[in-house]
Amino acid sequence: SSEVTQDPAVSVALGQTVRITCQGDTLRNYYASWFQHKPGQAPVLVMYGYNKRPSGIPDRFSGSSSGNTASLTITGAQAEDEADYYCNSRDSSGNQWVFGGGTKVTVL
Amino acid sequence: EVQLVQAGAEVKKPGESLKISCQGSGYTFTSHWIGWVRQMPGKGLEWMGIIHPRDLDTRYSPAFEGQVTISVDKSTRTAYLQWRSLKASDTAMYYCARHDTGSGWANWGQGTLVTVSS
Repeated sequence: SSEVTQDPAVSVALGQTVRITCQGDTLRNYYASWFQHKPGQAPVLVMYGYNKRPSGIPDRFSGSSSGNTASLTITGAQAEDEADYYCNSRDSSGNQWVFGGGTKVTVL
Repeated sequence: EVQLVQAGAEVKKPGESLKISCQGSGYTFTSHWIGWVRQMPGKGLEWMGIIHPRDLDTRYSPAFEGQVTISVDKSTRTAYLQWRSLKASDTAMYYCARHDTGSGWANWGQGTLVTVSS
């Protein structure tokens, strides 16, 4: 089982807000990063560190962290945000990386 | 511009060997970890392992230790993922990624689809 866990799926109405969470004890020591993954495409980094967005990622994406939980929030979800989202962090040893199981976001 | 370019799709038979590649450009190759990620059909992303080209420090995720070999060729700025004897369960998309100290795993290859079938 993964050291970080995510809910398998969530849906959001177009233009509404959705929060995706990632839980694991390793998140008390390491930031999570978040990837958006669409079919047939390479994963795209959308959030890293403490609420940092790579260049080109819309500001409707934001991140937060508290205790053993990291969150990715999409404020005003768009149709193009429909994708699988994976959290990623170091494992408990700090020497490896782990993904959460992924959350499928459906925009209704 | 940082780019990771992966080799094209492969179709192999069980028991065959395979080495797939990931060539980096647009950055100092020996300064950044490279990782390999598997996505089996209909499944999530899994870290397989990482390698630092400078000192060849290689770390395998437990599920992949002994199953694959990760290597680099500094002269060609290329990372490799290798199997000695493929199984049908190795059928998957494989991605390479580059780690940046500031932004994490920010750059990804386009993926190599490996199909293992008799």
